[in-house]
Amino acid sequence: EAQVTQNPRYLITVTGKKLTVTCSQNMNHEYMSWYRQDPGLGLRQIYYSMNVEVTDKGDVPEGYKVSRKEKRNFPLILESPSPNQTSLYFCASSPDQNYGYTFGSGTRLTVV
Amino acid sequence: GNSVTQMEGPVTLSEEAFLTINCTYTATGYPSLFWYVQYPGEGLQLLLKATKADDKGSNKGFEATYRKETTSFHLEKGSVQVSDSAVYFCALTVGYSTLTFGKGTMLLVSP
Repeated sequence: EAQVTQNPRYLITVTGKKLTVTCSQNMNHEYMSWYRQDPGLGLRQIYYSMNVEVTDKGDVPEGYKVSRKEKRNFPLILESPSPNQTSLYFCASSPDQNYGYTFGSGTRLTVV
Repeated sequence: GNSVTQMEGPVTLSEEAFLTINCTYTATGYPSLFWYVQYPGEGLQLLLKATKADDKGSNKGFEATYRKETTSFHLEKGSVQVSDSAVYFCALTVGYSTLTFGKGTMLLVSP
């Protein structure tokens, strides 16, 4: 089944403890993105990647890192999480910008 | 820059009513336009899209027409069902830019 898989689905962590949210797609898509969804703010892009080793900042990149060492994986790294990073995170992939993105099921992160 | 404006919700309808959710955009260049739907507790799913002016996207009884003259991409459905209750997002891409979303419109359909 064609899909984008994120892990974990739920995560509660403490301020400052490094964490990684994994994202993997099995569709050989070039484009991958990370979004966060917050009430009243909608979806905001964190980082995106157009191909292996090519990444760029989105609208809200502060406090996040990404890497694209292979086509299928696009992990999101929070080096020192803070409570304002408590949010619902989505990874998405697409073969090109006009095709439409396939989204993962989301990761609900709580930083206390 | 690029932006998408959607009508605020929630939109509350009875089953079998006609649905319109307004979406307008501003973009530098010629965008591709999308509607996504998010059911409770799930990720976003692509509902329909249109990549050039006057194109009509359609899926599951939903339709939207790319209107360049009014920079709009309104979502319509002739007869909604309870199962259509969800949050609907209008979005665009331009060139190599990635998705820009509207803030979403919640639809609540009662029996």
